[in-house]
Amino acid sequence: AQSVAQPEDQVNVAEGNPLTVKCTYSVSGNPYLFWYVQYPNRGLQFLLKYITGDNLVKGSYGFEAEFNKSQTSFHLKKPSALVSDSALYFCAVSKRGGFKTIFGAGTRLFVKA
Amino acid sequence: ETGVTQSPTHLIKTRGQQVTLRCSSQSGHNTVSWYQQALGQGPQFIFQYYREEENGRGNFPPRFSGLQFPNYSSELNVNALELDDSALYLCASSLDRSGGRETQYFGPGTRLLVL
Repeated sequence: AQSVAQPEDQVNVAEGNPLTVKCTYSVSGNPYLFWYVQYPNRGLQFLLKYITGDNLVKGSYGFEAEFNKSQTSFHLKKPSALVSDSALYFCAVSKRGGFKTIFGAGTRLFVKA
Repeated sequence: ETGVTQSPTHLIKTRGQQVTLRCSSQSGHNTVSWYQQALGQGPQFIFQYYREEENGRGNFPPRFSGLQFPNYSSELNVNALELDDSALYLCASSLDRSGGRETQYFGPGTRLLVL
């Protein structure tokens, strides 16, 4: 069965510091991996995805994520956090050739000024 | 903002009633997926429609049903509402079904409260 784990309910970081939001997955084969962000009272917004190729994926708003096949991880990173990055972040995975996307439970990022 | 819209934004129903939620996809997108997001959880996949046909379904009972129309707008219908159906319902459109690789564009959601 497919699953996604986001081990931290909340991540706290000071503005200007680097941030990491962790994600591990369990899917057979080579999955597609996604990060989405959700602001209060809004739907999810796409940040980035890994399809194939370079393990480091760059996305919107300065975010990037590193795919690590041996560790089955897809951690989200940003070199310098902004207060406006404070939101709920979801990692998601879908199986190649499938129709279903599985989301993690989410990690709340709090960036302090 | 994505071009995906949902209506209504909020809804209150009582147990046993039926509800219809609506979604208008982003222009040019032929695939729509519906998700249920309970409080404090990630979105759970309900089903996906591709060109007016159900393309796949998650672990939801048959009282959750859907439609996709020729203009690719979509409806989610839930019969015999239960208290646990209280959640944010999200629709997401994508350019094509493409075996899971497509980026999904989410609407703002409909918040359903079942009393």
